[in-house]
This record gives sequence, structure tokens and C-alpha cells, in this order.
Amino acid sequence: DGGITQSPKYLFRKEGQNVTLSCEQNLNHDAMYWYRQDPGQGLRLIYYSQIVNDFQKGDIAEGYSVSREKKESFPLTVTSAQKNPTAFYLCASSKTHSGANVLTFGAGSRLTVL
Amino acid sequence: EDQVTQSPEALRLQEGESSSLNCSYTVSGLRGLFWYRQDPGKGPEFLFTLYSAGEEKEKERLKATLTKKESFLHITAPKPEDSATYLCAIAGNTGKLIFGQGTTLQVKP
Repeated sequence: DGGITQSPKYLFRKEGQNVTLSCEQNLNHDAMYWYRQDPGQGLRLIYYSQIVNDFQKGDIAEGYSVSREKKESFPLTVTSAQKNPTAFYLCASSKTHSGANVLTFGAGSRLTVL
Repeated sequence: EDQVTQSPEALRLQEGESSSLNCSYTVSGLRGLFWYRQDPGKGPEFLFTLYSAGEEKEKERLKATLTKKESFLHITAPKPEDSATYLCAIAGNTGKLIFGQGTTLQVKP
């Protein structure tokens, strides 16, 4: 079945560590996204990619980095520069990058800072 | 600036007690309004897209409607399995998708 796989489901980070969240899709979608979800807030866009080897900052990109070397993969690195990284992270994809396209989401990764 | 506000933040219903969730929005050139369902600890799942005022869409016990200022998600005779957080999002001329903070629905048997 086509879908988005995020791993790990749960991740713990110590102060000063970088951690990488994996996102893989087999939907043949061109566009991929990373969102952050905090209690009581709407989903906030971190980064998005419209095509391989290209990506754009979203609303809250500071302290995060991404790469898009393959169409299927869009990993997110949470760097030590992100001061409040504890959150639920969601990867999504769509056929093309258009605000009017339906997003397909992964199951999410929960990051906790120790 | 495009904005989305959902109300109420939380809603508790008895099984069979129909109600509505509200999504108020301001947008420059609506290209689509989306409803998603999110279960605890999981990613959102797509429910509906509405494109223009007056449009309605239905799926089982859910019915989504759209006016120029707001959308309603009507839940008819809800069951406990309808318990979830319902997210509303809008896309306007900026091409940017804006999410509301969600309404958490709990349906008690």
C-alpha cells in the first residue's frame, strides 16, 4: 500500500545533540513537507520541497535542516540550535506543491528533549 | 493575512447527540478549505475539500458545508469511534496552507 513512513516513532535528545527524523514515501509525489505540532496550536510548516534537490524554508525553519536527494526521501535534522525541540513532527506529501492539493501525512515522530 | 480559527477547542457529546464544529476564516482568494481527522498520536487523515460557498460534502455521519466566512463540520448521531481531533485548513492565493488549532471531540457511549 502507498503511504508515508516516518521513523522513529519516539526519539529522545540530549542537550547539544543533533537528531535526524526519517520520512519516506512511495506515492510518487513530487512535493514533501515537514510540520511541527504543539498542543493547542495549528500545524506549523518547517520546510517543504517541490522537487528533488530543492527545498524552501517554511514559517519556523530556524534550528532545522533538510535534504532532498531522492524523490522518495525527505529527512529532517533537528539541530542543537533549536532551543525548544520537544514536539510532534509530521511529514506530508502531495502530488505537486499547490496549496489546494490534499496532503497525505505520515504517522508522526515524537521528539522529547531530556 | 490569511487566518483560521476553530471553535470550540473541545467538545463532549453523548453517543447519538448531533452537533457542529466551526471553522472561521479570512483569506485572500480561497482556493480550497480542507477538513482532516487526527487520532491521538497519529497523523491527520483527509476528510473533505470544499472550494466555493454553498458547497457541501458528506461522508457517513459527517457533513461539511462552506460559506464565504466559515465552514461547519456537522456530526449526525455520533458514535464513540468519531472521537478525534478535527483540523481545518485553508489555501488562498498565496499558495500557503494555514491550519487551525483543531477541535477535540469526545463522544461518550
